[in-house]
Amino acid sequence: DTEVTQTPKHLVMGMTNKKSLKCEQHMGHRAMYWYKQKAKKPPELMFVYSYEKLSINESVPSRFSPECPNSSLLNLHLHALQPEDSALYLCASSQTIRDPPTPLHFGNGTRLTVT
Amino acid sequence: GENVEQHPSTLSVQEGDSAVIKCTYSDSASNYFPWYKQELGKRPQLIIDIRSNVGEKKDQRIAVTLNKTAKHFSLHITETQPEDSAVYFCAATSVSGNQFYFGTGTSLTVIP
Repeated sequence: DTEVTQTPKHLVMGMTNKKSLKCEQHMGHRAMYWYKQKAKKPPELMFVYSYEKLSINESVPSRFSPECPNSSLLNLHLHALQPEDSALYLCASSQTIRDPPTPLHFGNGTRLTVT
Repeated sequence: GENVEQHPSTLSVQEGDSAVIKCTYSDSASNYFPWYKQELGKRPQLIIDIRSNVGEKKDQRIAVTLNKTAKHFSLHITETQPEDSAVYFCAATSVSGNQFYFGTGTSLTVIP
């Protein structure tokens, strides 16, 4: 069983829709991440939250809006997406972002299709 | 920023043979090097990791070696089994922000 839970598993949305992806972890980790992964490619970092504050935004378009309501939850709000945004969206957590580095624990992802 | 290169992009081996995947990194400040296995349609899972103060680490059939001087690290899988078939990603982390830089991935196929 995965310790990082993502919902929904699959999502199909039109370009005018608004939807949200959800992620939850109960490992006491204080860092949470959103990654985007295209087929046969490595995960690409989108956002990093540390102690519920946005720490890194990798120049992600504003149609992706992250939110960290508390240390266990991470959301990704989607609005006016483009077909090229179709991908697997992975949430991950780690103990902290401080040195020494700690491993990422990934959720199973949300498979997003934009029509 | 860090740049991680990974080779080969695809690798086929006979069951029971060994597989080796190599990665190089550019930032000498990187100090943590995990390896992730991703089966088709599943999440990346950590299989082994190594820190910069260690040269080699083993866990049953899997080992990782690190050469800090040359800035490269390798994954070794011995006695491969069909269930080892997956995409393997190496990564390196900067000391700043636990930011992971992934290699481009190696698709390993173990032929029964």
